[in-house]
Amino acid sequence: DAGVIQSPRHEVTEMGQEVTLRCKPISGHNSLFWYRQTMMRGLELLIYFNNNVPIDDSGMPEDRFSAKMPNASFSTLKIQPSEPRDSAVYFCASSQLAVTPQFFGPGTRLTVL
Amino acid sequence: QKEVEQNSGPLSVPEGAIASLNCTYSDRGSQSFFWYRQYSGKSPELIMFIYSNGDKEDGRFTAQLNKASQYVSLLIRDSQPSDSATYLCAVKRDSNYQLIWGAGTKLIIKP
Repeated sequence: DAGVIQSPRHEVTEMGQEVTLRCKPISGHNSLFWYRQTMMRGLELLIYFNNNVPIDDSGMPEDRFSAKMPNASFSTLKIQPSEPRDSAVYFCASSQLAVTPQFFGPGTRLTVL
Repeated sequence: QKEVEQNSGPLSVPEGAIASLNCTYSDRGSQSFFWYRQYSGKSPELIMFIYSNGDKEDGRFTAQLNKASQYVSLLIRDSQPSDSATYLCAVKRDSNYQLIWGAGTKLIIKP
């Protein structure tokens, strides 16, 4: 079975540009999580969707960040405008239920110049 | 005090020995405990999860949970160089979706 799929794997952009990260969760999983990982702050939960509905976006750092899940097999995380401090690895994870183990995608390494 | 604490390491263990990784947590309401392995430049990979007090074994890996003392550990028997990675401990409160993550312990297995 395919795992969580993320694209792009690497993104280099200039400050002020819009960045869109994409995620396809494991089929049949109804919970989706977006994380950000940096050396300084470790893994941080940005937003959690359950059955395509955003349940908790308290981890989204600023209004520049937005996330959508239009259907059960696709989610996006958008940063507009991007800033150098947004440089990090962004992971998408999914789980069958909210309380079951989460499985991570390969991540998107974002560099904002 | 951090909610989930791990020694950052690095923890250096000779090949073939037992590697012992520890994690303590502060919330007594925590019910589910997870160990993830993360190779450099890769994503976290689930190794084990444990819900009940005691030991849970899977191949060379054993997870140990002691809720009274609020710690969970991961033992890796017959350590191999391929076990060298950062090990992340994650804790979930009862009926809550959110994982509380430790900062991870870097493990180095020396040939």
